[in-house]
Amino acid sequence: GAVVSQHPSRVICKSGTSVKIECRSLDFQATTMFWYRQFPKQSLMLMATSNEGSKATYEQGVEKDKFLINHASLTLSTLTVTSAHPEDSSFYICSARRLNTDTQYFGPGTRLTVL
Amino acid sequence: AQSVAQPEDQVNVAEGNPLTVKCTYSVSGNPYLFWYVQYPNRGLQFLLKYITGDNLVKGSYGFEAEFNKSQTSFHLKKPSALVSDSALYFCAVRDRNTGGFKTIFGAGTRLFVKA
Repeated sequence: GAVVSQHPSRVICKSGTSVKIECRSLDFQATTMFWYRQFPKQSLMLMATSNEGSKATYEQGVEKDKFLINHASLTLSTLTVTSAHPEDSSFYICSARRLNTDTQYFGPGTRLTVL
Repeated sequence: AQSVAQPEDQVNVAEGNPLTVKCTYSVSGNPYLFWYVQYPNRGLQFLLKYITGDNLVKGSYGFEAEFNKSQTSFHLKKPSALVSDSALYFCAVRDRNTGGFKTIFGAGTRLFVKA
């Protein structure tokens, strides 16, 4: 089956630093990748949608200058949390839409802790 | 606007008994409907989806869900629960008529299956 990986799985950083999270589709090409954020005991909140080679579309209330998304290829998207603060601590999950299908596959998530 | 409601925060079931996890939705057009399961500190795993056709959809691990258009519901069911089914379950909806690929998730229902 289709596999989506995320790296790192866990990251702890100091306040004010930037953190990059990678999302890769390992055995398929992804037309579109999505980034979600999940707070403890809450649902997934869509942050942004990115299409390969174009700018990401951000959901209302998500700061595009803080959460930088790059989708440079059909198998890789990155989310960079810039100048991270403790309130950015969360579980970040990416998903990828398989090319020419309506199927969406989810990564295992990245737990970010900002001290 | 699209929305998904999972009215129960938690469902408790004894092993071997049938289980139901409820979901209702609201979309402006015709929906794609999904169920996902999440284990602690893990990403989402796809269980099943309704696209068109038979209202009763069968999915992974013995789960099934019934699409009811008049009640705008898509309840998840399993005839005989296992302890290993204990997890967090998310219902999700996508409006096929609005285009794009934006999927909205419910708040989640935690299922506890007791031995």
